Amino acid sequence: DTEVTQTPKHLVMGMTNKKSLKCEQHMGHRAMYWYKQKAKKPPELMFVYSYEKLSINESVPSRFSPECPNSSLLNLHLHALQPEDSALYLCASSLLPTVANTEAFFGQGTRLTVV
Amino acid sequence: GENVEQHPSTLSVQEGDSAVIKCTYSDSASNYFPWYKQELGKGPQLIIDIRSNVGEKKDQRIAVTLNKTAKHFSLHITETQPEDSAVYFCAAPDPGDGQNFVFGPGTRLSVLP
Repeated sequence: DTEVTQTPKHLVMGMTNKKSLKCEQHMGHRAMYWYKQKAKKPPELMFVYSYEKLSINESVPSRFSPECPNSSLLNLHLHALQPEDSALYLCASSLLPTVANTEAFFGQGTRLTVV
Repeated sequence: GENVEQHPSTLSVQEGDSAVIKCTYSDSASNYFPWYKQELGKGPQLIIDIRSNVGEKKDQRIAVTLNKTAKHFSLHITETQPEDSAVYFCAAPDPGDGQNFVFGPGTRLSVLP
């Protein structure tokens, strides 16, 4: 099983809403990532969790709040988003938190639209 | 930090022809180079990768070559098929912390039937 599962696939939310994105993997990977991807651009790193601890926050606004409840799950809590936050949000995982030595697998993404 | 350039940005080929996408990187210490294929509405899918201790790796119709001296690596797709149409991203590790990839800007490949 080399799957990273993300839910929901699509999400439309208002600027005052609170919602969460969910990511799950059962490959025993100890690093999990959140990326944001705008149209016709490569993925941009937001957060890295290494052994369930936040190791990288790429200066992401506090309206995005990540959470790693256990080694298989990764959440991204959303609150008071702006229309410019509309994008494809991708979760990824890798066996080890050093990408130079291990493959990273991506989920299918959540297409988020903020209205 | 690492800087990854990718060319061309768009590529159209006839079905059955070959396609080549080239990436250059800046950090000579980089040692792992994956290629991702992203179809419309989907997440990136790892299709092939190469480590710095080899010069070429092949998997059926897909191959990757690495020139460490020149700091470039290329994706080769032979006998292209319409289902190869997608956006392809190359990547290299960010040397700053090793926990992230720096992606190239992407190549949109169209295989014309």
